[in-house]
Amino acid sequence: NAGVTQTPKFQVLKTGQSMTLQCAQDMNHNSMYWYRQDPGMGLRLIYYSASEGTTDKGEVPNGYNVSRLNKREFSLRLESAAPSQTSVYFCASSEAPGGKSPLHFGNGTRLTVT
Amino acid sequence: AQSVTQPDIHITVSEGASLELRCNYSYGATPYLFWYVQSPGQGLQLLLKYFSGDTLVQGIKGFEAEFKRSQSSFNLRKPSVHWSDAAEYFCAVGAHTGTASKLTFGTGTRLQVTL
Repeated sequence: NAGVTQTPKFQVLKTGQSMTLQCAQDMNHNSMYWYRQDPGMGLRLIYYSASEGTTDKGEVPNGYNVSRLNKREFSLRLESAAPSQTSVYFCASSEAPGGKSPLHFGNGTRLTVT
Repeated sequence: AQSVTQPDIHITVSEGASLELRCNYSYGATPYLFWYVQSPGQGLQLLLKYFSGDTLVQGIKGFEAEFKRSQSSFNLRKPSVHWSDAAEYFCAVGAHTGTASKLTFGTGTRLQVTL
């Protein structure tokens, strides 16, 4: 049982380049999320998808876009990367939306923007 | 809006010693509370959760946490720490309202275990 799978694990971009982070879950969860983790700041929600076909902004959405491709997959796109987007990105899923359903996390993508 | 404070950025304990990691939350009603653990290079794993009922909850790996409404706290404890417990620990609070995820994380406490 793979759980939540993120690709790639590592990525280095130059300022202005674009890329898409991929995420897939095999737990038949309805909700999916993208977080970024920065030292001393915990995890901050970028975007989430409460259910297939819906997406909403989280706490720090600027500079990002998302696509809920189907129930399994939720991608995060950086159209024009900036050094401030250097971070570790985590995808997560939960059975249901709302604050009661525990999150299941992928192992993260470490992104460096130079 | 809810918030979470983890006052200790870094804690060092000896193997076999007891452990308590502090978590204070701010929320207008009874919150949903979680503790997650993150090993180096890994994602976060759920240790335990509190929704209602018994205020002392048991989790995986021998961890427990106690919800104290009067102190707005949800401290994580373990009677005897093992070297493999070295990791970063995150407290999180979930809100009841709406359909959106309202899970807010603390900034984490890094645990170092000395042999």
